Amino acid sequence: ETGVTQSPTHLIKTRGQQVTLRCSSQSGHNTVSWYQQALGQGPQFIFQYYREEENGRGNFPPRFSGLQFPNYSSELNVNALELDDSALYLCASSPGTSGTGELFFGEGSRLTVL
Amino acid sequence: AQSVAQPEDQVNVAEGNPLTVKCTYSVSGNPYLFWYVQYPNRGLQFLLKYITGDNLVKGSYGFEAEFNKSQTSFHLKKPSAVVSDSALYFCAVRDGLTGGGNKLTFGTGTQLKVEL
Repeated sequence: ETGVTQSPTHLIKTRGQQVTLRCSSQSGHNTVSWYQQALGQGPQFIFQYYREEENGRGNFPPRFSGLQFPNYSSELNVNALELDDSALYLCASSPGTSGTGELFFGEGSRLTVL
Repeated sequence: AQSVAQPEDQVNVAEGNPLTVKCTYSVSGNPYLFWYVQYPNRGLQFLLKYITGDNLVKGSYGFEAEFNKSQTSFHLKKPSAVVSDSALYFCAVRDGLTGGGNKLTFGTGTQLKVEL
């Protein structure tokens, strides 16, 4: 059983650029959530995907978007990057959307925006 | 809106002593409460959860937490700390009344340092 994997692990972009982060969910998990963790802060919920559709969104602007594929893997896209987008982006998978189970987190993608 | 407060940025404890990491929460309905641990440059690992039932829940690595509805608290405890417990601990809550799937609200984290 493979865990949640994310790529890339580190990347550097400049303001105004676009970035795509990728996540492979744990085997058997059909739900993927994305979180942003700024330095010294707790993770903040960006959105969740279930069966290839967005199923819940946090307080993030539309330039944060995502996709989920038939194999349940997911992408997070951020357009028009801003300095404040520098953070660790965490993907978490779970076997459903009940909210009662644990989330399985990947190790994150650290984005630096210059 | 749901929220979580972790009042201590850092907790220091000697190895072998009991530890407590504090958490209070605010939700509209019944809370689903979680503790996660984060090691440097790693993702979060689940420790334990309270959904319903017994107020004392036990989790991984000897950790436990007590749900106190009247005080809206969910403090993390361990009877005897070890050096390898040193890490960043996050409390999280989800409102069990409304929808939102796996939308968790996390606290700002408490750095636990266990010293020899």
